[in-house]
Amino acid sequence: SQQGEEDPQALSIQEGENATMNCSYKTSINNLQWYRQNSGRGLVHLILIRSNEREKHSGRLRVTLDTSKKSSSLLITASRAADTASYFCATDSGGSNYKLTFGKGTLLTVNP
Amino acid sequence: SQTIHQWPATLVQPVGSPLSLECTVEGTSNPNLYWYRQAAGRGLQLLFYSVGIGQISSEVPQNLSASRPQDRQFILSSKKLLLSDSGFYLCAWSRAEPRELFFGEGSRLTVL
Repeated sequence: SQQGEEDPQALSIQEGENATMNCSYKTSINNLQWYRQNSGRGLVHLILIRSNEREKHSGRLRVTLDTSKKSSSLLITASRAADTASYFCATDSGGSNYKLTFGKGTLLTVNP
Repeated sequence: SQTIHQWPATLVQPVGSPLSLECTVEGTSNPNLYWYRQAAGRGLQLLFYSVGIGQISSEVPQNLSASRPQDRQFILSSKKLLLSDSGFYLCAWSRAEPRELFFGEGSRLTVL
C-alpha cells in the first residue's frame, strides 16, 4: 500500500482562499516532502520537512508534521489560479532505503 | 545549475515492439537516478533506481529493464512492450542527502 496517502483526493476553491491538504503515512520517516505536478508535466519539489521539525514555511506554503500521528499538512495561503495542480506527499525512510514513496495526490483547482 | 533532460516526450508503440527512454543529467556528478511510472490519476510507482554506474536496483518485477552506462545517463528499455506498459514515465535525480527529487518533464508512452 502507499506509504503516503493524501486527503482530500480533490479540492476546489476560489482564488484568494486558503487550501489545506493532508498526508498520512504508516512507518517511521527521516523526512517528508511535498511536490507539485502541473497536468502532463514532471513533478516539482516544494518543501522538505525533517522528522525532528514540526513546522516549516516557504513563501505562501506552510507545512506541518506530527510524527506521533504520522501525518502532515500542506497549507497554501491566498491561493491563485496558477496554483491549480496536483500535490503529492512523499516519505523518505532514510538510511540505505533509497525509495521515496509517493501518495496518489490531491488535485487542487483554484477558480478565478 | 543542474538540469535533467528526458526524451522522447511522447511515443506510440505497438504491442511487442522495443522501447528505449533516455534521461541525462547535467551540472552534477554521481547523482542517484530514478525511473518512476505514473498511471492515469495514480501516484508514482518506483521502477528502478541507481546509485552509480552499472548499479541498478529494481523495485517491481516486469518486462522493463534499466541501464546506467555513464554517470549521468539512465536508460529505460523493454524488448517487447505490453499494453500494460502504457503510462507516464518520469526520470529523476537526487543527491545522496537530502533525497529531494528533481524530475524530468516525462515521457508519455501509449502501447496499442
